[in-house]
Parts: sequence; C-alpha cells; structure tokens
Amino acid sequence: AQSVSQHNHHVILSEAASLELGCNYSYGGTVNLFWYVQYPGQHLQLLLKYFSGDPLVKGIKGFEAEFIKSKFSFNLRKPSVQWSDTAEYFCAVTSGGNNRLAFGKGNQVVVIP
Amino acid sequence: DVKVTQSSRYLVKRTGEKVFLECVQDMDHENMFWYRQDPGLGLRLIYFSYDVKMKEKGDIPEGYSVSREKKERFSLILESASTNQTSMYLCASSLPVGGIGYTFGSGTRLTVV
Repeated sequence: AQSVSQHNHHVILSEAASLELGCNYSYGGTVNLFWYVQYPGQHLQLLLKYFSGDPLVKGIKGFEAEFIKSKFSFNLRKPSVQWSDTAEYFCAVTSGGNNRLAFGKGNQVVVIP
Repeated sequence: DVKVTQSSRYLVKRTGEKVFLECVQDMDHENMFWYRQDPGLGLRLIYFSYDVKMKEKGDIPEGYSVSREKKERFSLILESASTNQTSMYLCASSLPVGGIGYTFGSGTRLTVV
C-alpha cells in the first residue's frame, strides 16, 4: 500500500520566516500529489496539486511545491509566512490509476506574530 | 458552491450504541470516502465507494460498516460504538478519474462515553 511520510509534526516559526514542509511517498509508478490545509475549526481545503508537467506547482496563498521524482518527494514551501498560515498541513498521494488518497500524518504549523 | 454535507457536527454516544453518520454530496460524484482523523495519525481511510451499492474496505474497517443506497448519500455505521472510536470523522467525494482531488465535509466529532 502507498505510504506518505511527513516529518517534524510540530513546526513553530515567526511571521516573515520561510516555511518548508517535507513529504515523501513510497510508490514508484505514476502518482498524483496533493497538499491540503486545515485551518483551526475548518474543513480540509486543497492547497495545490501536481498531476504532470512542470514539477514546480504554485497554489493558493503564496504556497508552492516541488515534485522531485528521483527523491519521491513533494515538499511544500512558502517564502514568508503570516499568522494566518497557522494550520495543519497534509500531504496526500494517489497512485496506480486509482482514486484512493493516502495521507501523511500532517504538520501542525504555528506562526507567532 | 459544491458541497459535502455531514449531518452532525458533534455527537455524543454511549458505548454499545449503534451510530449512524450521514454524508450527502451535491456534485453527482461517483466516489465517496469515509476517513477518521486523529491527532498525530493524520487521516486514515475507513471505507470507500465507487458507485451505488458498491463498497470497499479501506485501511481501518474493523468495527465499521457503510451503506450507499443512493449516489449522493454515503453512511458510516458503527455497529456497537466503543470508546476507541472517539474521533473526528470526515466524509469526502470525488470524480472517478484518479487524482482530481477530493471535496471534504466539515467533519463529525464523535465522542463515545
């Protein structure tokens, strides 16, 4: 079964700092990759996704992610975070042509004003 | 605005009770999913359905069952609730093509006492 690894479950940083969250997956074939965000008290929302093409994907709210196939990675970045980026971030993967999403354990990000 | 609606935001049930969690989507999606979300464990797939009357076990189906009698509705059933089923339950739906991404409901926080 597909597995997704996210490291550093808790991340605390100050406003204007840069953020990078790592995501590694186990499947060696064709994958579709996602980052979801869950703001406090809200439902999961899609931040960005990668299907094919340019491995650098831009999402909402200034986030971007880079797909590196050789490293089985899809890391999320934001150059300068804001207090409103405080949320839990989940990496997710579908693979092998099925539509079953496998999630990582999430990163709890707290941005201090 | 497309929606996945979960009937209850909060539920408190007693051990041994039969519990029904309801999910309705208005997007005519074929695929529907039930996840549970626990701190530090991310989202884990309980059951999913690719079509009416079809169901497939996810990663943690024990203690749960599902029903999909109509395309828009997917019910999660706890036959005999136990305290270890206290969790946040998330419903999602998607189109059948792999990797399109899911739309999530707001979640039902179930407490079993």
